[in-house]
Amino acid sequence: GAVVSQHPSRVICKSGTSVKIECRSLDFQATTMFWYRQFPKQSLMLMATSNEGSKATYEQGVEKDKFLINHASLTLSTLTVTSAHPEDSSFYICSAGGGYEQYFGPGTRLTVT
Amino acid sequence: GESVGLHLPTLSVQEGDNSIINCAYSNSASDYFIWYKQESGKGPQFIIDIRSNMDKRQGQRVTVLLNKTVKHLSLQIAATQPGDSAVYFCALHDAGGSQGNLIFGKGTKLSVKP
Repeated sequence: GAVVSQHPSRVICKSGTSVKIECRSLDFQATTMFWYRQFPKQSLMLMATSNEGSKATYEQGVEKDKFLINHASLTLSTLTVTSAHPEDSSFYICSAGGGYEQYFGPGTRLTVT
Repeated sequence: GESVGLHLPTLSVQEGDNSIINCAYSNSASDYFIWYKQESGKGPQFIIDIRSNMDKRQGQRVTVLLNKTVKHLSLQIAATQPGDSAVYFCALHDAGGSQGNLIFGKGTKLSVKP
């Protein structure tokens, strides 16, 4: 149980385009999902907290207009990287749950050329 | 702000030996701590957790020790195997954060030599 999936697992896009990443809780409902970004050989940094049916809460320094988060159902949250630039290339990981239990997705490798 | 750090960025051990990975934290209000294993290109995998009202917890081949006095957390892996090679992160529950997010340490890369 408690499986979280992400799609796509890898994506390459051109600079200036937008890309959407999906995070799904497969066998449970998640009112809260978290989005993390991880650069090579670094730790996970929380970008935002996604709440079903309400606006996401962004961490300091994360541009909410650039990283659009939608949590329209209890099993799906999406992260859209708008007007992507090469510096947005990173490993994006979501987790579902909250409090003492979080279940992580397998991550999405974004490469912006 | 909160910070979570690690004493050793890399650790190389011989197969069969025990491994110890350390983590220091600064927020004394943290009440829940977790160790994750991350293999290359994958998401974090839960290993073991411990609440602040405990100082030791054991799992299968793994033990987590918590010393709240010095704000130190460690992960011990017994009889380390090649499959244990990965990056290990400590994380703590951010009691002051939004809805229980986790704060991750910098990570220690464990390499197991056959």
